[in-house]
Amino acid sequence: EAQVTQNPRYLITVTGKKLTVTCSQNMNHEYMSWYRQDPGLGLRQIYYSMNVEVTDKGDVPEGYKVSRKEKRNFPLILESPSPNQTSLYFCASGREGRETQYFGPGTRLLVL
Amino acid sequence: AQKVTQAQTEISVVEKEDVTLDCVYETRDTTYYLFWYKQPPSGELVFLIRRNSFDEQNEISGRYSWNFQKSTSSFNFTITASQVVDSAVYFCALTPDSNDYKLSFGAGTTVTVRA
Repeated sequence: EAQVTQNPRYLITVTGKKLTVTCSQNMNHEYMSWYRQDPGLGLRQIYYSMNVEVTDKGDVPEGYKVSRKEKRNFPLILESPSPNQTSLYFCASGREGRETQYFGPGTRLLVL
Repeated sequence: AQKVTQAQTEISVVEKEDVTLDCVYETRDTTYYLFWYKQPPSGELVFLIRRNSFDEQNEISGRYSWNFQKSTSSFNFTITASQVVDSAVYFCALTPDSNDYKLSFGAGTTVTVRA
């Protein structure tokens, strides 16, 4: 089944404790991206990747890191999480940037 | 920079009523792509439609229809004869056809369909 998977789905952590949210797609898509969803703000792009080893900042990159060492994986790293990073995070992939992006199930993060 | 505005925060209708969701966008690019996504209460994001800026034909898919008007920078979405299963948050989004394929979303419109 063609899909985007994210792990974990739910995470509660404390301020400053590094964490990684994994994202993987099995559709051989070149384009991958991360979004956060907050009430009243819709989805905002954090980082995106046009292909392996190519990443760029979205609209809200502060406090996040990404890497794209393999085509299928695009992990999101929070090196020192803060409470304002409490949010619902989505990973997405698409054949290329102009094509439809398909979303993972979301990861709900709570930073205490 | 581009911007997508969904002015309607919440819409409540009774089943079988039609509901239209407004989407207005801003972009400097001449070529761009518009999308609608649905987010049901279960939380996943479901793709509904993609439209490029050169195709202004309206589209109908079952009870869903889309009206793209470049002159007013709008890409409105209508659900005809709404059903309870249509209750969801609907997002409009835009990406330019440029080196920078940032996808910008509107804030979303919550549709509640009452039986």
